[in-house]
Amino acid sequence: EVQLLESGGGLVQPGGSLRLSCAASGFTFSNYGISWVRQAPGKGLEWVSGISGSGGTTYYADSVKGRFTISRDNSMDTLYLQMNSLRAEDTALYYCAKDRASGWRDGFDWGQGTLVTVSS
Amino acid sequence: DIQMTQSPSSLSASVGDRVTITCRASQTIKNYLNWYRQEPGKAPKLLIFAASSLQSGVPSRFGGSGAGTDFTLTISSLQPEDFATYYCQQTYSTPPTFGQGTKVEIK
Repeated sequence: EVQLLESGGGLVQPGGSLRLSCAASGFTFSNYGISWVRQAPGKGLEWVSGISGSGGTTYYADSVKGRFTISRDNSMDTLYLQMNSLRAEDTALYYCAKDRASGWRDGFDWGQGTLVTVSS
Repeated sequence: DIQMTQSPSSLSASVGDRVTITCRASQTIKNYLNWYRQEPGKAPKLLIFAASSLQSGVPSRFGGSGAGTDFTLTISSLQPEDFATYYCQQTYSTPPTFGQGTKVEIK
């Protein structure tokens, strides 16, 4: 069974930094691309960033490009999101979402999320 | 970016009702369209992939159709756990984008 367990969320001041982690199990981690998708309180879903199985290709939404960095450690079956220069509008529940197949064409399997609050 | 527009944004229905939700893409996405259900306080769950393929373990009351720019999710007989928010997602181009959601409420 696929399991994705996010951690690292919390309260941070505007301009601050935070690193999220997603520990994976139940599948061969290096075979799948994984994304971060966020959901602001009471709002819809927004894809944030994705990374290929090897880690060699990364993708970012324009809203976070230059501030967030996605990475993965395939020896530890763990995905990361380094978030810098955080803004109030980055406040959201951040989900780790695994490609169901080769590439994200056929959708995602989801973790339970970790909450990031950016506030002074 | 490809914009996805769902309608309606919300609807009220009763257990046993047939419900239809539509999703329109701002440009053609062939059949690169997925549907999710998000129950309150839970993560999204994949229902339909590739516009019309039922995800394993998902009840057969869920059905998807469409291609190009216009897509439909149908729930043939609404069950209590189906009172939730539904999202469409295009995966034709990067970034993958979601519709704004359709909230299905109890009448």
